[in-house]
Amino acid sequence: GAGVSQSPSNKVTEKGKDVELRCDPISGHTALYWYRQSLGQGLEFLIYFQGNSAPDKSGLPSDRFSAERTGGSVSTLTIQRTQQEDSAVYLCASSLPSTYEQYFGPGTRLTVT
Amino acid sequence: GENVEQHPSTLSVQEGDSAVIKCTYSDSASNYFPWYKQELGKRPQLIIDIRSNVGEKKDQRIAVTLNKTAKHFSLHITETQPEDSAVYFCAASANQAGTALIFGKGTTLSVSS
Repeated sequence: GAGVSQSPSNKVTEKGKDVELRCDPISGHTALYWYRQSLGQGLEFLIYFQGNSAPDKSGLPSDRFSAERTGGSVSTLTIQRTQQEDSAVYLCASSLPSTYEQYFGPGTRLTVT
Repeated sequence: GENVEQHPSTLSVQEGDSAVIKCTYSDSASNYFPWYKQELGKRPQLIIDIRSNVGEKKDQRIAVTLNKTAKHFSLHITETQPEDSAVYFCAASANQAGTALIFGKGTTLSVSS
């Protein structure tokens, strides 16, 4: 079946602009995660949604970052007033309820100029 | 919170040799330890995982070992092939399914023929 999809694949924006990144999880996966991967670095957890529960926002680096998940499926990560240090690949992952295995999307490469 | 350390950061081997990557974690409550392979420009792919009630798991040429007392786990790749060249990430997850993965910083494995 279809895997996790993300859009856009690449985004170039000017410093100070807002950006929205989209994630479509695998059908039936109730858990959705956002991670950030900076150049040459590991994956940094940002936020996690599980069903209708309140999201775990403990990884968000600042209040410029927020995420929503509408209808328990698609999620949007919003970065306000982007800074150059926000440049990274933003990865989304999803998993079935009560399982450990997370499956990743292809990522959105964000470049802030 | 959980902290995962991964070594070495780079590893070069000859085709046919074995490769070993080691990770340590800090949170004794962690009980799920996956390994991901990421080829250049692609998404991380889950290649093997282990849970804390198991000491070793094998899947063809790859194996993972876990020492809960010492809080470390390792990835073993035997009979390496050029297509094994990639960045490998270890991760640890807290004590329930559907929680965020905390990743190591990755190991770049190069297999030369």
